[in-house]
Amino acid sequence: ETGVTQSPTHLIKTRGQQVTLRCSSQSGHNTVSWYQQALGQGPQFIFQYYREEENGRGNFPPRFSGLQFPNYSSELNVNALELDDSALYLCASSYNPGTGVTGELFFGEGSRLTVL
Amino acid sequence: AQSVTQPDIHITVSEGASLELRCNYSYGATPYLFWYVQSPGQGLQLLLKYFSGDTLVQGIKGFEAEFKRSQSSFNLRKPSVHWSDAAEYFCAVGGRGSQGNLIFGKGTKLSVKP
Repeated sequence: ETGVTQSPTHLIKTRGQQVTLRCSSQSGHNTVSWYQQALGQGPQFIFQYYREEENGRGNFPPRFSGLQFPNYSSELNVNALELDDSALYLCASSYNPGTGVTGELFFGEGSRLTVL
Repeated sequence: AQSVTQPDIHITVSEGASLELRCNYSYGATPYLFWYVQSPGQGLQLLLKYFSGDTLVQGIKGFEAEFKRSQSSFNLRKPSVHWSDAAEYFCAVGGRGSQGNLIFGKGTKLSVKP
């Protein structure tokens, strides 16, 4: 059983650029959640994807967008990068049996984004 | 407002000593409560969770936590700390149908003295 994997592990961008982060969910999981963890802070919920659709969103602007693919992997896209977007981006996968209850979240090791 | 408060930013304990990390929450519905641990440069690992039932829950690595509804608390404990427990600990709250939206505290960094 493979766990949650994220790529890239580290990247550096400049203000105004766009970035795509990728996440492969754990085997048997059908739901992916994305979190932003700024330095010295706890993770903050960005959004969740289930059945290839956004299924819940936190307080993040529309320039944060995502995709989920038929194999349940996911991408997080951030446009028009700002300095405050520098953070560790965590992906978590889980299994939703279709009852509206999301199961336990399993986190990847994250992608650390630095915006200069 | 929904929130999680971890009052202690940094705690240092001696190896072999007992540990208690505090967590208070504010949540409008029946809470699901979690403790996660994060080692430097790593993702989050679930230590334990509370959904319902027995208010004292056991987790991995010898950790336990007690849910006290009247105090809106979910404190994490370990009777004897090992050097490998040094890490950052996060308390989180969610609810049924919260769609993976967990609200995390700011974390407590644990240092262990030899």
